[in-house]
Amino acid sequence: AQSVAQPEDQVNVAEGNPLTVKCTYSVSGNPYLFWYVQYPNRGLQFLLKYITGDNLVKGSYGFEAEFNKSQTSFHLKKPSALVSDSALYFCAFDNNAGNMLTFGGGTRLMVKP
Amino acid sequence: EAQVTQNPRYLITVTGKKLTVTCSQNMNHEYMSWYRQDPGLGLRQIYYSMNVEVTDKGDVPEGYKVSRKEKRNFPLILESPSPNQTSLYFCASSIPGGRLPYNEQFFGPGTRLTVL
Repeated sequence: AQSVAQPEDQVNVAEGNPLTVKCTYSVSGNPYLFWYVQYPNRGLQFLLKYITGDNLVKGSYGFEAEFNKSQTSFHLKKPSALVSDSALYFCAFDNNAGNMLTFGGGTRLMVKP
Repeated sequence: EAQVTQNPRYLITVTGKKLTVTCSQNMNHEYMSWYRQDPGLGLRQIYYSMNVEVTDKGDVPEGYKVSRKEKRNFPLILESPSPNQTSLYFCASSIPGGRLPYNEQFFGPGTRLTVL
């Protein structure tokens, strides 16, 4: 079955340090991959997406993600973490039929001052 | 302000008592969807609608019903709720035109449902 996996339940990083939130995928064909963020007591917000083209995708709030076909990964990155980046992050893929997003289990990012 | 709204935000009910969670969007989106979020499982799609009067099952449709009589509204109906439907529910919509993967989804604030 096609899926995305987020191997870390939680990532801890100090403010100002670079951060990485990992996502790997098992999707046939050309995957359409997304990152969403959920702040406390809020709905999910779109961060960025990879459809085709440049493997490095830039998104909102200074985040970027690198699509790596050989490693089947789509890790989310930011050069310098902020305390306000603390949230729950979800990787997702489209099922290629255009009807459904399938989400990973989520990774909680904690940025300490 | 462009938004997806859900009501109620919090609901505690008892097994078997029918309930409806409303969802409304003011962005003229054709696509709407319902998800449930459970710890460690991410979000799982319950039902989706590509347009008015067009609905289809997602990954976990059992125990739920939906309707799409108007473009802006997409209510979620639990005819006979059970404790395993205790969860956090999100409604989402997507901008019209093009295939879904090119258009990100906009999410409502969530409805926390507890079924006793």
